[in-house]
Amino acid sequence: GENVEQHPSTLSVQEGDSAVIKCTYSDSASNYFPWYKQELGKGPQLIIDIRSNVGEKKDQRIAVTLNKTAKHFSLHITETQPEDSAVYFCAASKGGSARQLTFGSGTQLTVLP
Amino acid sequence: DAGVTQSPTHLIKTRGQQVTLRCSPKSGHDTVSWYQQALGQGPQFIFQYYEEEERQRGNFPDRFSGHQFPNYSSELNVNALLLGDSALYLCASSLSGHEQFFGPGTRLTVL
Repeated sequence: GENVEQHPSTLSVQEGDSAVIKCTYSDSASNYFPWYKQELGKGPQLIIDIRSNVGEKKDQRIAVTLNKTAKHFSLHITETQPEDSAVYFCAASKGGSARQLTFGSGTQLTVLP
Repeated sequence: DAGVTQSPTHLIKTRGQQVTLRCSPKSGHDTVSWYQQALGQGPQFIFQYYEEEERQRGNFPDRFSGHQFPNYSSELNVNALLLGDSALYLCASSLSGHEQFFGPGTRLTVL
């Protein structure tokens, strides 16, 4: 089955700096790659997603890039703010957005004021 | 518009007991998926329901079963609880073919 690896497991940045989280996937049939943010005591919240026919997608301070050849995708957060502090998960699906998601192990992002 | 809701918020059971968790999907959504999230790990897919049928299943034993009702709400049942079943159980809803939105989860503790 699909396997998703995520790095780093923890990341600390100064407020205003950029943060990058990377994921690799194993199944070349995967075609949908969402990113979720999970705050303490809450469920994961979808922040951005990308499909296999697109190489890059941006939404204000957040961007995601996808390299299908290398089977990896990355989350980029610019101008980080303290409220960006949370656990971020990448995921992959080969059935589209509404099908089984395989998650990475998560990255604890801390933005230092 | 209410998002995905789950009940109860917390639950404590002992080994061998049975538990039922409930989920109400976001308004207009017809698909419900269940995930198990152990402490410090990413969610793991249990199964998905669409049109009251189990459409997809992850690598979980038959002790885990579910149901979807005509109003699209869903239940997750776990029989013969083990200590290792202690986790946050997340429900996600979607409109077929679209993004999944998660509820806040039910924290299950098995003693």
